Amino acid sequence: GQQVQQSPASLVLQEGENAELQCNFSSTATRLQWFYQHPGGRLVSLFYNPSGTKHTGRLTSTTVTNERRGSLHISSSQTTDSGTYFCGMPNYNVLYFGSGTKLTVEP
Amino acid sequence: DAGVTQTPRHEVAEKGQTIILKCEPVSGHNDLFWYRQTKIQGLELLSYFRSKSLMEDGGAFKDRFKAEMLNSSFSTLKIQPTEPKDSAVYLCASSLWDREEQYFGPGTRLTVL
Repeated sequence: GQQVQQSPASLVLQEGENAELQCNFSSTATRLQWFYQHPGGRLVSLFYNPSGTKHTGRLTSTTVTNERRGSLHISSSQTTDSGTYFCGMPNYNVLYFGSGTKLTVEP
Repeated sequence: DAGVTQTPRHEVAEKGQTIILKCEPVSGHNDLFWYRQTKIQGLELLSYFRSKSLMEDGGAFKDRFKAEMLNSSFSTLKIQPTEPKDSAVYLCASSLWDREEQYFGPGTRLTVL
């Protein structure tokens, strides 16, 4: 079946530090979708992008589909960035998710 | 435009009961998905509809789970009978047919006693 691996499983940062979250997937996907979920909250789409790089504020998503990997970079982390980040790989429209990276940003 | 809406937000059921969860997709979206989220299994597909036609049915969920698209703007997920292992968050998502970007609702947290 489709497999999506995320690393690290958890990450603790001090406010102001940068974070790099990784996503590796098993099939030749044409794009990845990154989500943020606050505990008890909904999945909020951060990026939906094909191969290449996209920026939004302090977030940068890079997808290299021919190498079956993607990354989410968070610069100058803030306590409000704490939560779980998921990457989703679409396959025939269905999203296959990794197990998520739980990010904790301490003041 | 309203996003994906789900009701109820919380549901508590006794083992053996029938429960029905509801979802309204983003207006104009053709694809609708039901996922289940648990700490152990993560996010898993339950059902996928395109323009009211069932496209994919999560194999592990066929016996007691039934999703339906009653019209293009309303879907239900019935669990019958419920078991304690069904305790999870049930998520509904929708997308346009020609884009795979999915938008998620707030989820329904189900607790089966």
